[in-house]
Amino acid sequence: DAGITQSPRHKVTETGTPVTLRCHQTENHRYMYWYRQDPGHGLRLIHYSYGVKDTDKGEVSDGYSVSRSKTEDFLLTLESATSSQTSVYFCAISGPGTHHYEQYFGPGTRLTVT
Amino acid sequence: GEDVEQSLFLSVREGDSSVINCTYTDSSSTYLYWYKQEPGAGLQLLTYIFSNMDMKQDQRLTVLLNKKDKHLSLRIADTQTGDSAIYFCAETTPDNYGQNFVFGPGTRLSVLP
Repeated sequence: DAGITQSPRHKVTETGTPVTLRCHQTENHRYMYWYRQDPGHGLRLIHYSYGVKDTDKGEVSDGYSVSRSKTEDFLLTLESATSSQTSVYFCAISGPGTHHYEQYFGPGTRLTVT
Repeated sequence: GEDVEQSLFLSVREGDSSVINCTYTDSSSTYLYWYKQEPGAGLQLLTYIFSNMDMKQDQRLTVLLNKKDKHLSLRIADTQTGDSAIYFCAETTPDNYGQNFVFGPGTRLSVLP
């Protein structure tokens, strides 16, 4: 399994509070992604990073920000959590290798906003 | 933009073959993937196929690609209860250096004893 960890694995927070989710990789891959998974929507890309300090928006970026100050860490921040951000969040990585452009996923963080 | 579609549910009997179908719209898709997600877990890459291939077989898994119709299928032979999961089809193109992976909504496979 690719070395990807996410923390926390579960979180319950109140509407209006800031929340930061962390993704950590040990593979030294260039690309990192944050997705959210909701019933009926599959996976939707929030933000991605193509290098240290290089990030870009995905399909559902409103209400989220990201930062990547080191290759191994990619942080997702909800500045002011809303109930619509209750979801399961997955981090993924990809990079060049034997099989190009394969994405590997972390175990997920289940976030509940009350 | 790109779109990937799948039927949402499939039920099969244990020991039968399962066929999960996927259609995509991006004719420049170069890499097509199948992922498996078990309850409470992340997505696990099962197999992939390059667009210059028609078929790929890996043990009980067979991937068929019809590039003309933009149709991808995953066949699981001798389906077992452990194959019960959600299966995602995904595609990407090399033009953006693998930045943009587009996923289907997932097909929930239920294996009945």
